[in-house]
Amino acid sequence: KQEVTQIPAALSVPEGENLVLNCSFTDSAIYNLQWFRQDPGKGLTSLLLIQSSQREQTSGRLNASLDKSSGRSTLYIAASQPGDSATYLCAVRPLGGGSYIPTFGRGTSLIVHP
Amino acid sequence: DTGVSQDPRHKITKRGQNVTFRCDPISEHNRLYWYRQTLGQGPEFLTYFQNEAQLEKSRLLSDRFSAERPKGSFSTLEIQRTEQGDSAMYLCASSDRYEQYFGPGTRLTVT
Repeated sequence: KQEVTQIPAALSVPEGENLVLNCSFTDSAIYNLQWFRQDPGKGLTSLLLIQSSQREQTSGRLNASLDKSSGRSTLYIAASQPGDSATYLCAVRPLGGGSYIPTFGRGTSLIVHP
Repeated sequence: DTGVSQDPRHKITKRGQNVTFRCDPISEHNRLYWYRQTLGQGPEFLTYFQNEAQLEKSRLLSDRFSAERPKGSFSTLEIQRTEQGDSAMYLCASSDRYEQYFGPGTRLTVT
């Protein structure tokens, strides 16, 4: 059974810092990995999707990398802003077995203070 | 707006009552998922549809929960005889071949 862990659980940084959020998974047989952002009381917003054949994806100030062999993905946020404050979740979709059900981590709660 | 929509956004009900939630996916997506999320946790899978067929259902899902997706378009999730432990955010997502897109969720409070 796939297990997804996100470290740290919470992070508080001053505005302008570059930061790294971590996502680790136990089964490397994955189809893709998706990073989401969730604001309090809201649904999830997709940030980046990395297919299993890819090493990284970039969107604006966000960069996500994937290392299947070590079971890790990182989300890099450059020049953090107060508007980046949210919970960040990663989800891993399995490869094969006919299942399309992703497994989610618990998320990293990020606060960027001015 | 062509995103995923959910209705209602909030629902307060008394223990023992039945509730039904609706999800309208992105129109060209044939895959639809229901999740439940409680505070501090990631979304927990409930059930999955491909078109109108319910292909997977969580083993943790009580038989008080039922979902339908008639004609492969919108979906409904019904909870019968609600319990206080059912209080949570219920999330719907639709998917193309690769990426999931979530709706805003329905917040259920059982008193």
